[in-house]
Amino acid sequence: DAGVTQSPTHLIKTRGQHVTLRCSPISGHKSVSWYQQVLGQGPQFIFQYYEKEERGRGNFPDRFSARQFPNYSSELNVNALLLGDSALYLCASSLGTGVYGYTFGSGTRLTVV
Amino acid sequence: TQLLEQSPQFLSIQEGENLTVYCNSSSVFSSLQWYRQEPGEGPVLLVTVVTGGEVKKLKRLTFQFGDARKDSSLHITAAQPGDTGLYLCAGEETSGSRLTFGEGTQLTVNP
Repeated sequence: DAGVTQSPTHLIKTRGQHVTLRCSPISGHKSVSWYQQVLGQGPQFIFQYYEKEERGRGNFPDRFSARQFPNYSSELNVNALLLGDSALYLCASSLGTGVYGYTFGSGTRLTVV
Repeated sequence: TQLLEQSPQFLSIQEGENLTVYCNSSSVFSSLQWYRQEPGEGPVLLVTVVTGGEVKKLKRLTFQFGDARKDSSLHITAAQPGDTGLYLCAGEETSGSRLTFGEGTQLTVNP
């Protein structure tokens, strides 16, 4: 059974550009969350979607947006990229609440130059 | 904003030694989860503890959730080089909408 898949695995963008990151959850999982992990730190919560509805939003600027599709896959969009947006972006899926635990993908390494 | 303080940040020990990692908060969480992360990979769930005072064992790893559900610890017995990695604790808010992660403990076990 496939795990959480994220694409692309690596990405290099220029300041001011826009980026779209994609995530496919484990089959049967209806919840998708996005996290940003800067080198040397723990992941920071960005968004959670459940049944295509936004359930939670972290302390990130409006340049960050996301959506969940009918097949439960998700996209994270970041506009007007800044150097500080360079990080590992992680997607996690779960059956519902975290009592079941979250399964993380391998992430997308975004470098902004 | 709920915060989790994890200590120590770095730990380098010899094979066969025991160690404990601590995760503390002033907030109550509905569950506390421990993950292990390898370079270039996402975190992998080790255990979820839900009930205050709960203790779970996973081979040489013992996880404990504080009675007040604000803190947790991870104890590794007879560490092995394969235990090397970044250990992260994460608390889930009662709303179930997000995980708050600690800063992580980078463990290195030398042969």
